[in-house]
Amino acid sequence: SQELEQSPQSLIVQEGKNLTINCTSSKTLYGLYWYKQKYGEGLIFLMMLQKGGEEKSHEKITAKLDEKKQQSSLHITASQPSHAGIYLCGAVHNAGGTSYGKLTFGQGTILTVHP
Amino acid sequence: NAGVTQTPKFRILKIGQSMTLQCTQDMNHNYMYWYRQDPGMGLKLIYYSVGAGITDKGEVPNGYNVSRSTTEDFPLRLELAAPSQTSVYFCASLRFLHVSSGNTIYFGEGSWLTVV
Repeated sequence: SQELEQSPQSLIVQEGKNLTINCTSSKTLYGLYWYKQKYGEGLIFLMMLQKGGEEKSHEKITAKLDEKKQQSSLHITASQPSHAGIYLCGAVHNAGGTSYGKLTFGQGTILTVHP
Repeated sequence: NAGVTQTPKFRILKIGQSMTLQCTQDMNHNYMYWYRQDPGMGLKLIYYSVGAGITDKGEVPNGYNVSRSTTEDFPLRLELAAPSQTSVYFCASLRFLHVSSGNTIYFGEGSWLTVV
């Protein structure tokens, strides 16, 4: 089984709708990164969470880390075509400093937003 | 700022050929990484470095080598290319100070490699 699972694998929404992407870990999360990737391009950093219960927002995107530090969600409010892309979560599964950057990634969620 | 720069962007290799993917960062980051991304999959760590002169294996190191002679550069070497190495390669870097210091990881734009 995967150490880090994202759901859903793909998502098609109408512009203006809200949506949520989940990232579930089989191990304790010492850090959880969210990235967005457009096809053929690199990864764009969205947010990083570390503390149980932590929540961060940027524009219309909110990410949360649950209290038990084993699940994170990414919520987009009033989606726009510009939100379309692949969303990836990456986990830090060890507490040591050298573990940062050695991310375990989920398989990604493909988001399509229809105008 | 250029950030993390990878070259080449695209490359086609024949089986058995060798090549080096270049990665450089201008942010004075101490940690650097190489990942590969296969279709429909997340990224997997190939090698990483926590400073000049220090490298270590990640999850999928077989068939690759790295070096870190300077803080800025972290090249990835493929010695005998195989079709299984067809993938998209991403270099990343991080200025790590301590576990609570933000620790944003920056990625390059990727290098598309096809081995035929």
